Amino acid sequence: SQKIEQNSEALNIQEGKTATLTCNYTNYSPAYLQWYRQDPGRGPVFLLLIRENEKEKRKERLKVTFDTTLKQSLFHITASQPADSATYLCAFLPTDGNEKLTFGTGTRLTIIP
Amino acid sequence: EPEVTQTPSHQVTQMGQEVILRCVPISNHLYFYWYRQILGQKVEFLVSFYNNEISEKSEIFDDQFSVERPDGSNFTLKIRSTKLEDSAMYFCASALEGGGPYEQYFGPGTRLTVT
Repeated sequence: SQKIEQNSEALNIQEGKTATLTCNYTNYSPAYLQWYRQDPGRGPVFLLLIRENEKEKRKERLKVTFDTTLKQSLFHITASQPADSATYLCAFLPTDGNEKLTFGTGTRLTIIP
Repeated sequence: EPEVTQTPSHQVTQMGQEVILRCVPISNHLYFYWYRQILGQKVEFLVSFYNNEISEKSEIFDDQFSVERPDGSNFTLKIRSTKLEDSAMYFCASALEGGGPYEQYFGPGTRLTVT
């Protein structure tokens, strides 16, 4: 069956360092991969999207990579700040173009001042 | 900045009752979605809606669920006879386009508690 796993349930990073979050998938060939941020009691907020033929995408302090051979995406936050503390979700849209956005379980990131 | 709104923010209902959760998507968006998130679990897709009909639905979205766009602005999710396991956060989302690399804008959610 199709699986999306975010390796860490929780990650603590010192302020100013780079936070790296991992998303792995199996039995799946996603066309697009998205990363969202979710704060407690709130809806997910879109951050970045990367296509299967793109290796890397950047937006300000955020960077996403997509390795279809390893079936993995990495999400980096450089120069991390306490305000970056949140749960980060990866999500996939399948290659066949349907609209069923499938989410991973999320990684709760805490940036320690 | 335009945003998706949802009402109510919290709904408490008794098992077996019908509930309607309401959403106002972003005004020029054409694709609409409902998701749910049981406490401590992942966000799960329920249904997508385009051009006044369901375009995709998950196994969770059984006959107890229905969606409607009764007018040009609202998008509703009805649960006909609620069960305890329907207790969750329900998120509405909308997108300008669908079926591709388009970001979905999520509302703040409605917390449904079934007692």
